Amino acid sequence: DTAVSQTPKYLVTQMGNDKSIKCEQNLGHDTMYWYKQDSKKFLKIMFSYNNKELIINETVPNRFSPKSPDKAHLNLHINSLELGDSAVYFCASSPLASGGLGETQYFGPGTRLLVL
Amino acid sequence: AQSVSQHNHHVILSEAASLELGCNYSYGGTVNLFWYVQYPGQHLQLLLKYFSGDPLVKGIKGFEAEFIKSKFSFNLRKPSVQWSDTAEYFCAVNAYGQNFVFGPGTRLSVLP
Repeated sequence: DTAVSQTPKYLVTQMGNDKSIKCEQNLGHDTMYWYKQDSKKFLKIMFSYNNKELIINETVPNRFSPKSPDKAHLNLHINSLELGDSAVYFCASSPLASGGLGETQYFGPGTRLLVL
Repeated sequence: AQSVSQHNHHVILSEAASLELGCNYSYGGTVNLFWYVQYPGQHLQLLLKYFSGDPLVKGIKGFEAEFIKSKFSFNLRKPSVQWSDTAEYFCAVNAYGQNFVFGPGTRLSVLP
């Protein structure tokens, strides 16, 4: 009965590779997000999708491409991985459109990415 | 755009001590305020939230927070901490038309 799930939990890969992280939510929420948490625990929003439509695209290299096949899924594909991409990536979902008041975000367990 | 600051980077307390973690935000309009907790190696979990009404909100695990609009603050408190409260604590703000913004986090270490 996991609300927001991510796979894989850990990802170790070489520089230059392409990898994907998957996220699914079974809460019936309309909006999903990707956050990056760096080694200092700082959380920064990367993307937000509302009903499969991109709403927020913060200053993120275009090597990062989100894909939302339906409103319950938001995957993150990363091309040409770099050392600086090493971080924990969290998926989240909320019932309201991004920017709406009354929004609570529910987080997935995170994917720890290590680029060697 | 709003920003969120948290006063302390790392707080170390002994068990049974009282806790207060500071959070200030910069935004003049209506906001929703949140505290999330991240236990070691785990995801963020919602501790409590303020949307409207009574500015003193109670959350899970004995935590509470007080919204003081005039001070743009939303400090988190707990009268007596336990070793199991060791975690990273994040304050977050949501304002209409703005992204959800997290503070930099405060690491709490509770010594047994």
